[in-house]
Amino acid sequence: EAQVTQNPRYLITVTGKKLTVTCSQNMNHEYMSWYRQDPGLGLRQIYYSMNVEVTDKGDVPEGYKVSRKEKRNFPLILESPSPNQTSLYFCASSLSGTSGYGYTFGSGTRLTVV
Amino acid sequence: GIQVEQSPPDLILQEGANSTLRCNFSDSVNNLQWFHQNPWGQLINLFYIPSGTKQNGRLSATTVATERYSLLYISSSQTTDSGVYFCAVRRGSQGNLIFGKGTKLSVKP
Repeated sequence: EAQVTQNPRYLITVTGKKLTVTCSQNMNHEYMSWYRQDPGLGLRQIYYSMNVEVTDKGDVPEGYKVSRKEKRNFPLILESPSPNQTSLYFCASSLSGTSGYGYTFGSGTRLTVV
Repeated sequence: GIQVEQSPPDLILQEGANSTLRCNFSDSVNNLQWFHQNPWGQLINLFYIPSGTKQNGRLSATTVATERYSLLYISSSQTTDSGVYFCAVRRGSQGNLIFGKGTKLSVKP
């Protein structure tokens, strides 16, 4: 089944403890992206990747890192999480970031930083 | 940047009723999608519809790109249709989807 898989689905952590949220897609998509969703602010893009080894900042990149060493994986790294990073996170992928293709979203990761 | 406006913001229906959700966007786009966010937070892709009309069961969507709007029709609504419906568009080559604020639908039994 074609899908975007995020792990974990739920995570509670403490301030400052490094964490990684994994994202993997099995559709051979070039484009991958991370979004966060917050009440009243909607969905906002954190980082995106047009292809392997090509990443760029979205609208809210502060406090996050990403890497794209292989096509299928696009992990989101929080080096020193803070409570304002408590949010619902989504990974998405698309066949291409430069043409009119649809996006597929993962099931989301609900992160709480205490 | 491009603006995406959805209406109505909230909608309450009795089971079996029909509804129309609207999405207006401020500039030409090369990608428009409708998503349903269920009560568990999952974003489900409903339609990829930058132009034209598509149908999938009780749902259908129409995008009139020249007039910069899209409509999502839900017929014979069911309680499982409850949740938030998002319209999202992309313009240009950067790949960033811009989301509207959503329409929160509640279907009562």
